[in-house]
Amino acid sequence: QVQLQESGPGLVKPSETLSLTCTVSGYSISSGYYWGWIRQPPGKGLEWIGSFYHTGSTYYNPSLKSRVTISADTSKNQFSLKLSSVTAADTAVYYCARDASGTLPRYYFDYWGQGTLVTVSS
Amino acid sequence: QSALTQPASVSGSPGQSITISCTGTSSDVGGYNYVSWYQQHPGKAPKLMIYDVSNRPSGVSNRFSGSKSGNTASLTISGLQAEDEADYYCSSYTSSSTGVFGTGTKVTVL
Repeated sequence: QVQLQESGPGLVKPSETLSLTCTVSGYSISSGYYWGWIRQPPGKGLEWIGSFYHTGSTYYNPSLKSRVTISADTSKNQFSLKLSSVTAADTAVYYCARDASGTLPRYYFDYWGQGTLVTVSS
Repeated sequence: QSALTQPASVSGSPGQSITISCTGTSSDVGGYNYVSWYQQHPGKAPKLMIYDVSNRPSGVSNRFSGSKSGNTASLTISGLQAEDEADYYCSSYTSSSTGVFGTGTKVTVL
């Protein structure tokens, strides 16, 4: 049973960097699949942030690309999200998820974390 | 990249069929058969319902079906049930190898 769990600060100050970690159990992120981050502002729709493969291949949402970094610690079976220069518009529930597509991203997320709310406020 | 366009809301009575549209461009929905659909209940993570336009993951009811014509994909829910009341999102692969979600549709069971 694949399980994902997001963790990180629930409150971040404007202009600072948001950092979240996704811990995966039940499957090794080094074994394959793309892994991604998706966010959802309160009361709004889903927004894909980016996805990565354990070989280092990454894809980012063009609208966030200049501020986003996704990386992995395969020894801990974790991957992380860093979003810099945050504003109130970055307040959202952040989800990590597995892309079921395989060796190429097709954005079919079959396993999701429960999500974590990050609020940007001073 | 712009979000795919979905109707804000769709409603139907129990037992009826409803269809949710998802309109993109030739650079996403129309260009690839990589459209997926998600169901999201309040306070919960999304659940994958359809992938590759019309394929259902194991465990998803066959009351859910997907199709595509040109730049518009559709999700049909037949035999509507109270438990189907939720938000639904489409998603597509794009020509930039990135992903994009739809604006979301709230389904109400009358």
